Amino acid sequence: RKEVEQDPGPFNVPEGATVAFNCTYSNSASQSFFWYRQDCRKEPKLLMSVYSSGNEDGRFTAQLNRASQYISLLIRDSKLSDSATYLCVVWKGTSGTYKYIFGTGTRLKVLA
Amino acid sequence: ETGVTQSPTHLIKTRGQQVTLRCSSQSGHNTVSWYQQALGQGPQFIFQYYREEENGRGNFPPRFSGLQFPNYSSELNVNALELDDSALYLCASSLASGDETQYFGPGTRLLVL
Repeated sequence: RKEVEQDPGPFNVPEGATVAFNCTYSNSASQSFFWYRQDCRKEPKLLMSVYSSGNEDGRFTAQLNRASQYISLLIRDSKLSDSATYLCVVWKGTSGTYKYIFGTGTRLKVLA
Repeated sequence: ETGVTQSPTHLIKTRGQQVTLRCSSQSGHNTVSWYQQALGQGPQFIFQYYREEENGRGNFPPRFSGLQFPNYSSELNVNALELDDSALYLCASSLASGDETQYFGPGTRLLVL
């Protein structure tokens, strides 16, 4: 079983739709959580950190459920420019090494 | 922009050859992590360098090796290239080994024929 699992999609949604992605992680010792956005053939870019209390940045809302070990991302009022792959990332330290563990990513296509 | 640079941007090699990829970290950052991203997959952790020492390694064979220099720039070396080594290689710098914020460079796209 992968440490971080995501539905690869693609999710094809019309402009203006609300779309939600979930991600599960297997290691309860995971320390921090993020959503990254990756455009085709580009590097991942930080979209937002994820906190247990939930956090919102404009049209984007992220939530962490430690008890169930899942992370969610909600995008409201989707724009064409939201089309990208969304990577769920867990950050944890083991024996002094701190690293990102990525999911495979969920592809989103927003259609006109 | 993150201030992390990588070179070259693209590279084509043949099986069995060796390759060196380079990364300049963001100013003031002493930790560099390398990731391999195959097509359709998320990035996979290769190893991390902290103050010129390897500070942890993912599930990659010894033919993947690296260096970090006194100015904290870094190299990733891959010997005896295999077709499956074709991927996007990303480096990420951070302020310290325990810093959860990593800044990614644009990557080097390697194609092995």
